[in-house]
Amino acid sequence: QQPVQSPQAVILREGEDAVINCSSSKALYSVHWYRQKHGEAPVFLMILLKGGEQKGHDKISASFNEKKQQSSLYLTASQLSYSGTYFCGTGGQNFVFGPGTRLSVLP
Amino acid sequence: NAGVTQTPKFRVLKTGQSMTLLCAQDMNHEYMYWYRQDPGMGLRLIHYSVGEGTTAKGEVPDGYNVSRLKKQNFLLGLESAAPSQTSVYFCASTRQGLGELFFGEGSRLTVL
Repeated sequence: QQPVQSPQAVILREGEDAVINCSSSKALYSVHWYRQKHGEAPVFLMILLKGGEQKGHDKISASFNEKKQQSSLYLTASQLSYSGTYFCGTGGQNFVFGPGTRLSVLP
Repeated sequence: NAGVTQTPKFRVLKTGQSMTLLCAQDMNHEYMYWYRQDPGMGLRLIHYSVGEGTTAKGEVPDGYNVSRLKKQNFLLGLESAAPSQTSVYFCASTRQGLGELFFGEGSRLTVL
């Protein structure tokens, strides 16, 4: 079953912070985060494994609460280059993505 | 090192025509996936494969068939294309144990 993301969209000014949430009705063993810019393929940001948290990209970090079946992506001091659609992905072999959160960073 | 390569990148079909999309990866990955992405939407899993000779249905498999005769290739077929299959198709691959998914550049398909 597809994970749920919130918010659907967010608009920021450069330097502001944002949080994107991902939750699932199924038990999560790992969560992936990807960013997709318009007209391009998704690009991997990071993986969070059960019981752990991994910071993987610039000022972007994430947390993973397997008991609540939730993950959150934190974008700190956002830059124009952070604009795009962010997807979380979960699952075992049948890997599925959430519907995405569209992030727009304005000057 | 090419990574994941999709062919063709663009294709226009008429309703009822058939076609095959080819995905090739040179990373010796076990797992391969086909997703479709409609405008403003997320990625929906069509079919996937966890090894040579194996395939399985994803979220939206109807109207598509797949084959994985060689480990490096994953083919997506449309037997009788419909306008509802107009979409951008992405192939992805990863190692066994689900590390980072590596995506192809996408194939834009229009069915008239």
